[in-house]
Amino acid sequence: GENVEQHPSTLSVQEGDSAVIKCTYSDSASNYFPWYKQELGKGPQLIIDIRSNVGEKKDQRIAVTLNKTAKHFSLHITETQPEDSAVYFCAAAIQGAQKLVFGQGTRLTINP
Amino acid sequence: ETGVTQSPTHLIKTRGQQVTLRCSSQSGHNTVSWYQQALGQGPQFIFQYYREEENGRGNFPPRFSGLQFPNYSSELNVNALELDDSALYLCASSPGGQGNYGYTFGSGTRLTVV
Repeated sequence: GENVEQHPSTLSVQEGDSAVIKCTYSDSASNYFPWYKQELGKGPQLIIDIRSNVGEKKDQRIAVTLNKTAKHFSLHITETQPEDSAVYFCAAAIQGAQKLVFGQGTRLTINP
Repeated sequence: ETGVTQSPTHLIKTRGQQVTLRCSSQSGHNTVSWYQQALGQGPQFIFQYYREEENGRGNFPPRFSGLQFPNYSSELNVNALELDDSALYLCASSPGGQGNYGYTFGSGTRLTVV
């Protein structure tokens, strides 16, 4: 079955700097890759997603890139702000399948 | 539009007991999925319900079961609780019949088994 590895497990950056989180997946049939942000005491919130027919997608300060050949995808957050501090999860799925397979999470801390 | 609501928010049970967790899906969503999130880990898929029937299941034993009701709300039942069942249980609803795009997660139920 699908396996998703996420790195790093913790990341600390200065406010205003960029943060990058990387994930690799094992199943070449996976074609849907969402990223979730989870704040303390809350459920995961979808922040951006990408499908396998697209190499990059941007939404304001957030971007995701996908390399299908290497089976990895990355989340890029620019101009980080204190409210970006949270745990971020990547996930992968085969479009139309029932389940998302999540990475282990990255705890991002933005230092003022 | 209301989001996904789960109840209760916290629960403490004794090993061997049974528990029922509840989820109300977001308005307009007819598919509900349940995930288990152990401390410090990513969520793991338990199962999904669509049109009141189980529509996919992860690697969880049969003592994990569920229901979906005509109003699309759902229950997760766990029998013979074990200490390792302690986790955050997340419900997610989506608008499509199948597929996992457009998931909206609830805030979860924190279950502690002692």
